[in-house]
Amino acid sequence: GAGVSQSPSNKVTEKGKDVELRCDPISGHTALYWYRQSLGQGLEFLIYFQGNSAPDKSGLPSDRFSAERTGGSVSTLTIQRTQQEDSAVYLCASSWEPQHFGDGTRLSIL
Amino acid sequence: RKEVEQDPGPFNVPEGATVAFNCTYSNSASQSFFWYRQDCRKEPKLLMSVYSSGNEDGRFTAQLNRASQYISLLIRDSKLSDSATYLCVVTGGGNKLTFGTGTQLKVEL
Repeated sequence: GAGVSQSPSNKVTEKGKDVELRCDPISGHTALYWYRQSLGQGLEFLIYFQGNSAPDKSGLPSDRFSAERTGGSVSTLTIQRTQQEDSAVYLCASSWEPQHFGDGTRLSIL
Repeated sequence: RKEVEQDPGPFNVPEGATVAFNCTYSNSASQSFFWYRQDCRKEPKLLMSVYSSGNEDGRFTAQLNRASQYISLLIRDSKLSDSATYLCVVTGGGNKLTFGTGTQLKVEL
């Protein structure tokens, strides 16, 4: 498809486990963003990749969170030692005007 | 102070009413401004960009006031289908977008 693709769409895991979330942006889009949205809350910026520049990691809430973008395309957001407060919808978006969002990964930590 | 601030609402209005939302931003160097719409449990979608001269798209009018650092969205003749959360979005350095937490609109019969 032509849109931003995220996987998995749903993930349920136990507290303390590591999880990896994947984002496949629109081909050719150099900008890629990760956000999360907790239930009833607004979007929280996590990290921003722009081309070959160093990523803006200013939104990552703790050192348990990390993200990489290989070859300027696919990105992986990794959460280590998950906590219950990590439960949220994690959204990936590419480009910026307009932003094209994926459908998100619903992460539930038991 | 948050970079982008919005009244969370909810704004409950009858069908046909006119409703306006404001959003303030803290970075005077911000260059681009947008309104996004987010339906319940869906991803945000671009509603309209906001230009310095103001712009209109059907029932929707967006305005920018750089001196006071706020943008507004006016919805005329509101429809039930306008019920959603409206997110104010501002660009900072390096084209990084900052989202407000959104204003919830409920249009009622």
